[in-house]
Amino acid sequence: DAGITQSPRYKITETGRQVTLMCHQTWSHSYMFWYRQDLGHGLRLIYYSAAADITDKGEVPDGYVVSRSKTENFPLTLESATRSQTSVYFCASSEFHREQYFGPGTRLTVT
Amino acid sequence: DAKTTQPPSMDCAEGRAANLPCNHSTISGNEYVYWYRQIHSQGPQYIIHGLKNNETNEMASLIITEDRKSSTLILPHATLRDTAVYYCIVRVESGGSNYKLTFGKGTLLTVNP
Repeated sequence: DAGITQSPRYKITETGRQVTLMCHQTWSHSYMFWYRQDLGHGLRLIYYSAAADITDKGEVPDGYVVSRSKTENFPLTLESATRSQTSVYFCASSEFHREQYFGPGTRLTVT
Repeated sequence: DAKTTQPPSMDCAEGRAANLPCNHSTISGNEYVYWYRQIHSQGPQYIIHGLKNNETNEMASLIITEDRKSSTLILPHATLRDTAVYYCIVRVESGGSNYKLTFGKGTLLTVNP
């Protein structure tokens, strides 16, 4: 089906482990985004990408790495997970300067 | 982007119109008003956006005052599934930073049976 998907939907990992969250969209949107949502902070932008091989930092990029080798995929990697990275992560995509469409989210718990 | 102010919560009876207000008194001429909503545990969902004319789509209507300092999102016949947090966001659509989508605290709309 067309749309934007995220995997896994739920993940529990230990402090210090590397974990990668996947995001895939079928619209061929140029822009893709990663947000995290925590109680008391709302949605905050981690990284975004304007096109394949073009990425840039958002509001809270520390501790995260992204790549975008293909237009449709935008993985987010936590190189060494910390408890403060326990959150719900949302991926989104959009066409240039248009509304963003969000995925269902990944609930990550770091123990 | 201009700051927005929304009431923290509102109630609406099922089947009635839900009118959600948003103040954006510092909005600039090239800034659009966007509305998203987030149903519990789901990703935010785009609803509608506009610049200065009123807009309508299959989900809702957007009424923007003539001075553009405030707007109202109207859900014409609210259902229980419309219970969600509604976010009013003001942003530049052309030029500037495409990524800049700042979510505030929004309005929790509760539709009651």
